[in-house]
Amino acid sequence: QVQLQESGPGLVRPSQTLSLTCTVSGDSVNSGRYYWSWIRQHPGQGLEWIGYIFYSGNTYYNPSLTSRFTISLDTSRNQFSLHLNSVTAADTAVYYCARIGARADQSLALRGTFDIWGQGTKVTVSS
Amino acid sequence: QSALTQPASVSGSPGQSITISCTGTSSDVGSYLGGYSYVSWYQQHPGKAPKLIIFGVSNRPSGVSDRFSGSKSGNTAFLTISGLQTEDEADYYCFSYRSSSTFEIFGGGTKLTVL
Repeated sequence: QVQLQESGPGLVRPSQTLSLTCTVSGDSVNSGRYYWSWIRQHPGQGLEWIGYIFYSGNTYYNPSLTSRFTISLDTSRNQFSLHLNSVTAADTAVYYCARIGARADQSLALRGTFDIWGQGTKVTVSS
Repeated sequence: QSALTQPASVSGSPGQSITISCTGTSSDVGSYLGGYSYVSWYQQHPGKAPKLIIFGVSNRPSGVSDRFSGSKSGNTAFLTISGLQTEDEADYYCFSYRSSSTFEIFGGGTKLTVL
């Protein structure tokens, strides 16, 4: 059974860097079949795709969002991370990690779909 | 890059059917990549993570009730829930791939109230 688990600080001071980690169990971030994603949800708002990373290290980000986001991969720990620098109160949100099947993998029934999600981690930016 | 357009809210009584629309463009909801349409739907209960309920426009993952069905016409996708139950009360989000800019996009979400 594949599970994703976010971890990180619940409170971050303005102007600091937020770092979140997603630990994957039951699958390998090296599989080459999935992109490992971050999605956020502001209080009372909808879902917003932040970006994702492939096993190759290639990253893709939502062009509508700030360039302050960086996603990285740690294959030795089977984890991937999200870093957001210079945070402000507007970055207060629930952050989810999720996997999405690679669209190029025709054998993957759930390609192009976020099929597994972490439970989410609430981040508050406040002094 | 605006979100896909969904009604903010819909409501229905237990046992009834409701349909939620999701309108995009020919570059996302209306597009096909290799003959496949990447429209999916997610259900989110308060305080919980989203759950996949429909993928590839009209397919249900294992374990999802057949009361949930999906369809598409042109640039608009639809989620229909039949035989409404109180536990269906949740937020629903559509999702698609925007091919014009290598961009993943969600709908704004629809709050379903079961009266």
